[in-house]
Amino acid sequence: AQSVTQLDSQVPVFEEAPVELRCNYSSSVSVYLFWYVQYPNQGLQLLLKYLSGSTLVKGINGFEAEFNKSQTSFHLRKPSVHISDTAEYFCAVSRRQGAQKLVFGQGTRLTINP
Amino acid sequence: DGGITQSPKYLFRKEGQNVTLSCEQNLNHDAMYWYRQDPGQGLRLIYYSQIVNDFQKGDIAEGYSVSREKKESFPLTVTSAQKNPTAFYLCASSMGVAYSNQPQHFGDGTRLSIL
Repeated sequence: AQSVTQLDSQVPVFEEAPVELRCNYSSSVSVYLFWYVQYPNQGLQLLLKYLSGSTLVKGINGFEAEFNKSQTSFHLRKPSVHISDTAEYFCAVSRRQGAQKLVFGQGTRLTINP
Repeated sequence: DGGITQSPKYLFRKEGQNVTLSCEQNLNHDAMYWYRQDPGQGLRLIYYSQIVNDFQKGDIAEGYSVSREKKESFPLTVTSAQKNPTAFYLCASSMGVAYSNQPQHFGDGTRLSIL
């Protein structure tokens, strides 16, 4: 079985400051890793994904994430945030084989203050 | 534009009533999923279907039922057996088992409340 832990339920930052949203996972098999963003009363939009290869992956809206196999982490970062980044962010994993059943973390609410 | 359409956006249920949430996709995806979202709990898988006329239970299937008669459609029924149905329900689709590295695409959700 897989599990995902997002270490911060809420992260407040000032506009133009850097931000890191932390994600740790547990799995007995190899997994794919994803970050999704959810704006209020909307569905989820894919930010980025890690499949294999380079451990630093770049996504949309200036976000990037680094896969660390030894620490089983997949932290999301942005060097300078904007008001429009205010949203909830979800880390998720799925097994590489078989049905793509996503396992989500609890979510991190990112609030950008002017 | 291709995408996933969920309807209605808001739904109210009376005690003892079954309600059905609609999910339609025009992405030509084989696999479809239903998730339930509660505050502070992330998303939890209710049911999923990898192909027409076949579906499997997810982690919290009790009190729910689904059907998959057409590739494009995967409706979810919240039955009266579901004692705590108030939540935000999200439908998703993906290309299928052979493409497990491809992401799931999500609809905009249905918010279900109890009258």
